[in-house]
Amino acid sequence: GENVEQHPSTLSVQEGDSAVIKCTYSDSASNYFPWYKQELGKRPQLIIDIRSNVGEKKDQRIAVTLNKTAKHFSLHITETQPEDSAVYFCASRDAGNMLTFGGGTRLMVKP
Amino acid sequence: EAQVTQNPRYLITVTGKKLTVTCSQNMNHEYMSWYRQDPGLGLRQIYYSMNVEVTDKGDVPEGYKVSRKEKRNFPLILESPSPNQTSLYFCASSLNGGAYEQYFGPGTRLTVT
Repeated sequence: GENVEQHPSTLSVQEGDSAVIKCTYSDSASNYFPWYKQELGKRPQLIIDIRSNVGEKKDQRIAVTLNKTAKHFSLHITETQPEDSAVYFCASRDAGNMLTFGGGTRLMVKP
Repeated sequence: EAQVTQNPRYLITVTGKKLTVTCSQNMNHEYMSWYRQDPGLGLRQIYYSMNVEVTDKGDVPEGYKVSRKEKRNFPLILESPSPNQTSLYFCASSLNGGAYEQYFGPGTRLTVT
């Protein structure tokens, strides 16, 4: 089955700096890559996603890039704010319609 | 309000005592699934269901059962819980499988002593 690896597991940045979280996947047939944000004590919620027919997608301060050849995708957060502090999960949807999550990244934004 | 609900939210039980965690969605979603969340391991899928009466194993199905008799409900059953099933459990639903946004329930924190 699909294997999704996510790095780093923890990331600490200063408010206003950028943060980048990277994920790799194993199934070359995977074609949908969402990112979820989980605030402390809350449920995961979708923040952005990308499908395999595009290389980049932006939504205000967040963006996701996809490199299908290398089988990796990344989440970029610019101008980080304290409310960006959370655990972020990447995921990959394979040809069998299964969604596999990465291990998560705890992002801490220091004011 | 569109939502996924789970009950109970917190549960402390003893080894071997059967329990059920309920999950219900009001969005008429075809797809429902159960995940467990453990530190450093992310969200691991236990079981999923593409439609009524159709269920399949995820990555970590051992020790769990599910049923999908109605579209809106997808209960998780632990027939003989063990301490290694102590975890945070999330139910989720989506329009149709993994290619659509997953709507998660609020989570159930289970402790098995």
